Amino acid sequence: SQQGEEDPQALSIQEGENATMNCSYKTSINNLQWYRQNSGRGLVHLILIRSNEREKHSGRLRVTLDTSKKSSSLLITASRAADTASYFCATPYTGGFKTIFGAGTRLFVKA
Amino acid sequence: DTEVTQTPKHLVMGMTNKKSLKCEQHMGHRAMYWYKQKAKKPPELMFVYSYEKLSINESVPSRFSPECPNSSLLNLHLHALQPEDSALYLCASSQGPFGLAGVSSYNEQFFGPGTRLTVL
Repeated sequence: SQQGEEDPQALSIQEGENATMNCSYKTSINNLQWYRQNSGRGLVHLILIRSNEREKHSGRLRVTLDTSKKSSSLLITASRAADTASYFCATPYTGGFKTIFGAGTRLFVKA
Repeated sequence: DTEVTQTPKHLVMGMTNKKSLKCEQHMGHRAMYWYKQKAKKPPELMFVYSYEKLSINESVPSRFSPECPNSSLLNLHLHALQPEDSALYLCASSQGPFGLAGVSSYNEQFFGPGTRLTVL
């Protein structure tokens, strides 16, 4: 079973609006990562947040992590049509090589 | 060079064929991964190699046979596949769960573009 569950499953917004995606996970983690996947292509790493961090920024991306609730959110500000993609949270098992991906959120940004 | 390459991009094969998928990276990463991804689903881990040794096999059927000839190459040999094996196969690499200092668990994975496999 997947470690992370994301919501919403799909999100459609207008260009310029903000997009927020949420991820929940089940076990203890030492970091959580977000990836983007354009249709039918490989995944691209966006940002990593460690368990001792609460918030992290990278350009138009803002990620928060609440370890007490076992949840994370990804905010994309001022979205662009090029942001249209699937977004996955990913959590590595502590001490292991295994990374589990959430179900993903499909984002559509309309021009 | 921060690229992971995969060949072929597309592959169509019959259930009796034998084919191989190839993956290559030159980032000096010592962990390499195979994932299978069905449409509108997240990637599912199949195999992990660490220092050219198989570390994780996620109970993958034996018709999939991984091979890591050296630290830069990863192959996936396919034989007697079923139509339900049709999917996007992704290769990835990373430094591993621990950085050079042996302390950090930073393990960003770099993905290739994938091979779209269709089994007839």
